Amino acid sequence: GNSVTQMEGPVTLSEEAFLTINCTYTATGYPSLFWYVQYPGEGLQLLLKATKADDKGSNKGFEATYRKETTSFHLEKGSVQVSDSAVYFCALPLNSGGYQKVTFGIGTKLQVIP
Amino acid sequence: NAGVTQTPKFQVLKTGQSMTLQCAQDMNHNSMYWYRQDPGMGLRLIYYSASEGTTDKGEVPNGYNVSRLNKREFSLRLESAAPSQTSVYFCASSYNREGGPEKLFFGSGTQLSVL
Repeated sequence: GNSVTQMEGPVTLSEEAFLTINCTYTATGYPSLFWYVQYPGEGLQLLLKATKADDKGSNKGFEATYRKETTSFHLEKGSVQVSDSAVYFCALPLNSGGYQKVTFGIGTKLQVIP
Repeated sequence: NAGVTQTPKFQVLKTGQSMTLQCAQDMNHNSMYWYRQDPGMGLRLIYYSASEGTTDKGEVPNGYNVSRLNKREFSLRLESAAPSQTSVYFCASSYNREGGPEKLFFGSGTQLSVL
């Protein structure tokens, strides 16, 4: 079956540091890949997505490139802010003929300190 | 823009008590979901409803029941709460149409403690 692997963290960075959160996946075919973000006290929301190999998703200064050869979709940001403190989930969604079947990673908690 | 609304936000139960978590969405989505979030385990699907009038089990359905009351509302019931059901519960909704996949829209969660 499908699976998503990411580090749990927490990851603690100083403001303006470079961020990488690794995500690798196992799936048949060529799935889409999403990153969701969960801010404290809130539900998850879509941060960015890529639907085919070599696609780059981007939003709010975050980027992730779909690498089929390494089955990876690592999340990066060049300069993090305190407001980026959140939990980040890599996800492998599948339109399963009636509902969205989503395989989530365990989530990586990011803490950015001033 | 209400989106997905869940109630209550917090709840404490004693073992054996029952309760219903309510969820409503105002985006005219076909599909609705209930997830639980536990440390080190990510999100796990409890039940889903692909469309009004249908419900199906997800990954961890034991101890739960659901009702898709209409297109807007999807409730989760714990008939006899157990400490293992202490968790954060999220309701979500999505479109479901040809092509996709579609993103999920989440409520803000219910923190449930069972003593």
